[in-house]
Amino acid sequence: GDSVTQMEGPVTLSEEAFLTINCTYTATGYPSLFWYVQYPGEGLQLLLKATKADDKGSNKGFEATYRKETTSFHLEKGSVQVSDSAVYFCALSETGKSTFGDGTTLTVKP
Amino acid sequence: DTGVSQDPRHKITKRGQNVTFRCDPISEHNRLYWYRQTLGQGPEFLTYFQNEAQLEKSRLLSDRFSAERPKGSFSTLEIQRTEQGDSAMYLCASSQGTDNEQFFGPGTRLTVL
Repeated sequence: GDSVTQMEGPVTLSEEAFLTINCTYTATGYPSLFWYVQYPGEGLQLLLKATKADDKGSNKGFEATYRKETTSFHLEKGSVQVSDSAVYFCALSETGKSTFGDGTTLTVKP
Repeated sequence: DTGVSQDPRHKITKRGQNVTFRCDPISEHNRLYWYRQTLGQGPEFLTYFQNEAQLEKSRLLSDRFSAERPKGSFSTLEIQRTEQGDSAMYLCASSQGTDNEQFFGPGTRLTVL
């Protein structure tokens, strides 16, 4: 079945540092890929998405590229801010339902 | 557009009791999903509807769980004879379109004592 494996956390960075959160997936077909974010005390929000190979999703300075050859969708940001502190979930959707990774907690210190 | 809403936000119950949760999706969305999330884990798929039809149920969903979506609008998730292992956050999401972008509600946190 489908599965998503995320880099284990927690991740702690200083403000303005470069961020990478690794995500790899297993799927039988050609899924859409997503990154969701959950800020403290809030619900899951879509951060970015990519629907086919080589697509790049981007939002709020975050980027991720759909790499079919390596079955990966790594999340990157060039310069993190304290306000980026949250839990980040990688997910795929192939047949309607979504399969999520276990989340990576990011803490950004001033 | 008020987004996906869920009610109640919190529910505390005793083991063996039945509970029911409600989800109101974004009005033009035809798909509605239920997930369960426990601490330190990602959301786990339970079931989903397209309009009023329940299209898929997780094999993890025991017979004590049932979901309905009458008239293809709001949905209810009922858990009968609750167990302590049912304690979790129950998330509802809705979507429209072919790329499966889902919009999540705030969740209902269930605590079974």
